[in-house]
Amino acid sequence: EPEVTQTPSHQVTQMGQEVILRCVPISNHLYFYWYRQILGQKVEFLVSFYNNEISEKSEIFDDQFSVERPDGSNFTLKIRSTKLEDSAMYFCASSGTFYEQYFGPGTRLTVT
Amino acid sequence: GIQVEQSPPDLILQEGANSTLRCNFSDSVNNLQWFHQNPWGQLINLFYIPSGTKQNGRLSATTVATERYSLLYISSSQTTDSGVYFCAVVNYGQNFVFGPGTRLSVLP
Repeated sequence: EPEVTQTPSHQVTQMGQEVILRCVPISNHLYFYWYRQILGQKVEFLVSFYNNEISEKSEIFDDQFSVERPDGSNFTLKIRSTKLEDSAMYFCASSGTFYEQYFGPGTRLTVT
Repeated sequence: GIQVEQSPPDLILQEGANSTLRCNFSDSVNNLQWFHQNPWGQLINLFYIPSGTKQNGRLSATTVATERYSLLYISSSQTTDSGVYFCAVVNYGQNFVFGPGTRLSVLP
């Protein structure tokens, strides 16, 4: 069964550093998403991406964040200058039809 | 925006027991999915169920969209069912709004 994959599974970085989280969505899907979950809290939407542009973003997704689909398979989330409060689990998701979303296993980001 | 509530917040069961988890939402939805977050933090997609009833093994789900709720049934629970169960809905646009989750602990 096709699945969404994410790398790395765990990333440790120092405050102020840039990080790039990578995702490979399911191959024939057209819509891509990033969500995050701070430890012990609920999952929150960050951004959705369709047709090579952002289609929707939340208040969390400020100028520190950017997304890109650099080739036909990868979908990346970049955080320019990480802060302690960016520590969280980051989930990538994709959907083929407009609605049903498939989630990757997540990347745990720890900012020290 | 849409509000999503889940009950109960915590549930402790003995192995073999049955349980019902509930998700209430405040507006009409285009999508509703149930997820299981395992102890490693992975979100496992259980059901895509904006309306109607589905079953998968020991799990089943029912969404009554007109009354704005969904139920997840777990029968003959096992220790591997432990974790947090999230309901997530799409109201408009594309993004999910997640509920706060139900933390299930199944004891041997």
